[in-house]
Amino acid sequence: AQSVTQLGSHVSVSEGALVLLRCNYSSSVPPYLFWYVQYPNQGLQLLLKYTSAATLVKGINGFEAEFKKSETSFHLTKPSAHMSDAAEYFCAVSGDRDDKIIFGKGTRLHILP
Amino acid sequence: DSGVTQTPKHLITATGQRVTLRCSPRSGDLSVYWYQQSLDQGLQFLIQYYNGEERAKGNILERFSAQQFPDLHSELNLSSLELGDSALYFCASSVVDIVTDTQYFGPGTRLTVL
Repeated sequence: AQSVTQLGSHVSVSEGALVLLRCNYSSSVPPYLFWYVQYPNQGLQLLLKYTSAATLVKGINGFEAEFKKSETSFHLTKPSAHMSDAAEYFCAVSGDRDDKIIFGKGTRLHILP
Repeated sequence: DSGVTQTPKHLITATGQRVTLRCSPRSGDLSVYWYQQSLDQGLQFLIQYYNGEERAKGNILERFSAQQFPDLHSELNLSSLELGDSALYFCASSVVDIVTDTQYFGPGTRLTVL
């Protein structure tokens, strides 16, 4: 069975500051891990995914995430926040490419001018 | 625009009724996924179809059913609706699966059950 915990339902950062959104997973099998972004009144968009290749995964819009098996974590980072990054971010885990995907509760990112 | 289309955009209905949500995947995508997003339950995977066959099943209620047609569009049928079924229903598509491919989401259908 898989589960995901996102720490912090709301995170605020200043424009230009580092963005760090935390995600810890639990999985009984080697996991596939995903980060999605949802802008207001829109569907989800895939930011990046870990599929057991490189542990440091680069995604769109300058985001990246690092898979750390020892810490069961897959935190999302961006060196410099932009106002356009304000959105809700979801971490998700799947145990198999045909398996159901389990989402975290989401973290709403606020960017302060 | 992701290329995934969903109709209708909004749906308001009464308890006990039955509704059908429709999804057209991106051209060339064989897999269709359905998700439910609500304040209570968060984002939940419901079901996946690949080239007309059910491939994975999540937290889909027995009152809900789905199918994928030969032209690859999909429909999600919700019956005996309850107030708690009010939610945003997303469809997504990919070529084959979520690991190999990028999954693209539609704009969603907002269902309100009164």
